[in-house]
Amino acid sequence: GAVVSQHPSWVICKSGTSVKIECRSLDFQATTMFWYRQFPKQSLMLMATSNEGSKATYEQGVEKDKFLINHASLTLSTLTVTSAHPEDSSFYICSSSGAGGGLQIETQYFGPGTRLLVL
Amino acid sequence: RKEVEQDPGPFNVPEGATVAFNCTYSNSASQSFFWYRQDCRKEPKLLMSVYSSGNEDGRFTAQLNRASQYISLLIRDSKLSDSATYLCVVNPTGTGGFKTIFGAGTRLFVKA
Repeated sequence: GAVVSQHPSWVICKSGTSVKIECRSLDFQATTMFWYRQFPKQSLMLMATSNEGSKATYEQGVEKDKFLINHASLTLSTLTVTSAHPEDSSFYICSSSGAGGGLQIETQYFGPGTRLLVL
Repeated sequence: RKEVEQDPGPFNVPEGATVAFNCTYSNSASQSFFWYRQDCRKEPKLLMSVYSSGNEDGRFTAQLNRASQYISLLIRDSKLSDSATYLCVVNPTGTGGFKTIFGAGTRLFVKA
């Protein structure tokens, strides 16, 4: 149990392009999903927290108009990087927490991540 | 002071060694604690939750010291495959509120 998928696994795009990343919890209902960004040799940085059906809560310094989050259902959240620039190149990881199947609600299960390279 | 602090390492140990990591947290109201491991260029994976009574899973033992506000991870009989970054994770608000803080990680290299 507790499988989280992320798609795509990597993206190369031109500057100015918008990129959408999907995060799905495959075998449990994710009441909360998190989006992180990780630069090389640095720690995970939480970008935003989203609960199904409500607006995402963004961390300080993260532009909500640039990083659009939609948590449309209990199994799907999307992150759209709008008008991506080279400095947005990073490893984007989602995680989910939820209930069912004996899962501990405060445990986060991570997707495999998406590597974004903006040229 | 950071909310969650870890010694970044790296720890370089030979196979078979015992190694211990500590992690301190600043919010005394924190209720939930975890250790994750992250391999290079991969996502973090849950290693174990940390309970007040301490818990053990094979070669891994986690302890919680509320009085001193730290958690520890002990790895016995280190294997080459244990080489990774170990992340300390704290939920500072406890149940009913959910905000998880990750430490910066401790890097471990196990050598043959």
